[in-house]
Amino acid sequence: GDSVTQMEGPVTLSEEAFLTINCTYTATGYPSLFWYVQYPGEGLQLLLKATKADDKGSNKGFEATYRKETTSFHLEKGSVQVSDSAVYFCALRGSEKLTFGTGTRLTIIP
Amino acid sequence: NAGVTQTPKFRILKIGQSMTLQCAQDMNHNYMYWYRQDPGMGLKLIYYSVGAGITDKGEVPNGYNVSRSTTEDFPLRLELAAPSQTSVYFCASSPWGGLTGELFFGEGSRLTVL
Repeated sequence: GDSVTQMEGPVTLSEEAFLTINCTYTATGYPSLFWYVQYPGEGLQLLLKATKADDKGSNKGFEATYRKETTSFHLEKGSVQVSDSAVYFCALRGSEKLTFGTGTRLTIIP
Repeated sequence: NAGVTQTPKFRILKIGQSMTLQCAQDMNHNYMYWYRQDPGMGLKLIYYSVGAGITDKGEVPNGYNVSRSTTEDFPLRLELAAPSQTSVYFCASSPWGGLTGELFFGEGSRLTVL
């Protein structure tokens, strides 16, 4: 079945540091890939998505590229802010359902 | 915009009690989902529905029941609550089941079973 493996957390960075959160997947066919973000006390919300190989999703300074050859969808941001502190979930959608990774808690220190 | 609304936000149950978590969406979405989020474990799908009158099991359906009598509502019923059901529950909806469809989440319901 479908599965998502996500970088273990927690991750702590200083403000303005470069961020990478790794995500790899296993799926049959051609899934769509997503990053969701969960701020404290809130539900998940879509951060970005990519629907086919080599697509790059981007939003709020975050980027991720759909790499079919390495089955990866790593999340990157060039300069993080305190407001980026949250839990980040990688997910794939191969059918009617969304399959999530375990989440990576990110804390940004001023 | 209301989006996906879950009630209650917090609830404490005793072992063996029953309760219903309510979920309503006002976006006319056909697809609705219930997930549970355990600490450090990501989200696991409990049940989902592709339209009114149709429901199907996800990864972890045991101990739960759902119904979908209208497009808007998708309640989750817990029968004979157990400590293993202590979790945060999220309801979500999607306009269609296609591969590119984004899920819209409620704010969650934190349930503790003592």
